[in-house]
Amino acid sequence: DAGVIQSPRHEVTEMGQEVTLRCKPISGHDYLFWYRQTMMRGLELLIYFNNNVPIDDSGMPEDRFSAKMPNASFSTLKIQPSEPRDSAVYFCASSAETGRYSPLHFGNGTRLTVT
Amino acid sequence: GNSVTQMEGPVTLSEEAFLTINCTYTATGYPSLFWYVQYPGEGLQLLLKATKADDKGSNKGFEATYRKETTSFHLEKGSVQVSDSAVYFCALRETDSWGKLQFGAGTQVVVTP
Repeated sequence: DAGVIQSPRHEVTEMGQEVTLRCKPISGHDYLFWYRQTMMRGLELLIYFNNNVPIDDSGMPEDRFSAKMPNASFSTLKIQPSEPRDSAVYFCASSAETGRYSPLHFGNGTRLTVT
Repeated sequence: GNSVTQMEGPVTLSEEAFLTINCTYTATGYPSLFWYVQYPGEGLQLLLKATKADDKGSNKGFEATYRKETTSFHLEKGSVQVSDSAVYFCALRETDSWGKLQFGAGTQVVVTP
């Protein structure tokens, strides 16, 4: 079990540039989540997918943010154009089971810095 | 709405000391409760969970009991080690919204030799 894999680990970009974060969930997991972590706001759920279909994107802060899951083994979170306030650690997580008992498995995150 | 409140950190302890991190919640139904741990530079890992009132979750010497009467899920460990230094998050998932794991703000724990 390789765990949830995120890339890149660190991303530094200038304001206005497009940023794409990538995630490979654990094989066989049907649910995928994108979270953002900042000192000010803690952990925020941005969007989650079930069987590659977006279920709830109410946490996506603005239209500048978009997420896709073209297949069961890959998801992207894109910010276009990026702004300094987007600086945060972005986590991807996946889960195998339905129901309220199932834990989430997190990747190691992508630390995004927008200058 | 649902919310999770944790004690503020950082909590600084000496090795072998007793650790308690308070967590209280508000929820409309019967949530499942979780503790996650985040080590430096890593993602969150599930530490333990409890799915109904009076359940006790335990793992790696940590324990937490689901107390419905006080809406609490305090985390305890009898003798901490330096390797327990991390940020600990309390979280809940409501009965009918399993996708939305509501996290507390996190509590940083620093254990010194």
